[in-house]
Amino acid sequence: AQTVTQSQPEMSVQEAETVTLSCTYDTSESDYYLFWYKQPPSRQMILVIRQEAYKQQNATENRFSVNFQKAAKSFSLKISDSQLGDAAMYFCAYRSLFQGGSEKLVFGKGMKLTVNP
Amino acid sequence: DGGITQSPKYLFRKEGQNVTLSCEQNLNHDAMYWYRQDPGQGLRLIYYSQIVNDFQKGDIAEGYSVSREKKESFPLTVTSAQKNPTAFYLCASCRTGTGVRGYTFGSGTRLTVV
Repeated sequence: AQTVTQSQPEMSVQEAETVTLSCTYDTSESDYYLFWYKQPPSRQMILVIRQEAYKQQNATENRFSVNFQKAAKSFSLKISDSQLGDAAMYFCAYRSLFQGGSEKLVFGKGMKLTVNP
Repeated sequence: DGGITQSPKYLFRKEGQNVTLSCEQNLNHDAMYWYRQDPGQGLRLIYYSQIVNDFQKGDIAEGYSVSREKKESFPLTVTSAQKNPTAFYLCASCRTGTGVRGYTFGSGTRLTVV
């Protein structure tokens, strides 16, 4: 079974600075998808960024980018120019590519990001 | 606009009662999921369904039951057998098939045992 580990339960960053959130995962599969979700105080889950494991190029979405290291099974999220609205819980998630599989997402335990003005 | 609607937003249950959480989607998604969220635990999968009239247990299915009679609806019943039901419950859906897709989530139901 796949597992996702977010080793840092909390982090803080100064507004306008850059922060990196770490995530590692364990799998025996060669193809899969990885995601970062954001959960603000409203508790609505928001998809931040996604990565296909067979793509070597790291995904980027505006101020959000990932560092995907497949051999190391690492999937970190970098937030540039941090804004107060980035304060939230962040969850790393894994999904199998296997056709006919459950397509269920496996989540890490999350990390609380605080942005200081 | 398409989306997932969970109701109610807050729910209170007395000890020994069964309660049902509603989840409805109009996204024409085949797959639907129920997750439970506790502080420090992340999201844990309760049940999921990929087609109508079929569903599978997730990692923490004990004390819960579901049905999938319609594509749009996937209600979750928290039974009296669930020993610690106080939690935040999230419903999600996604299309099945090829391509990288995330889930679409509902806004959640906070269940409290009183």
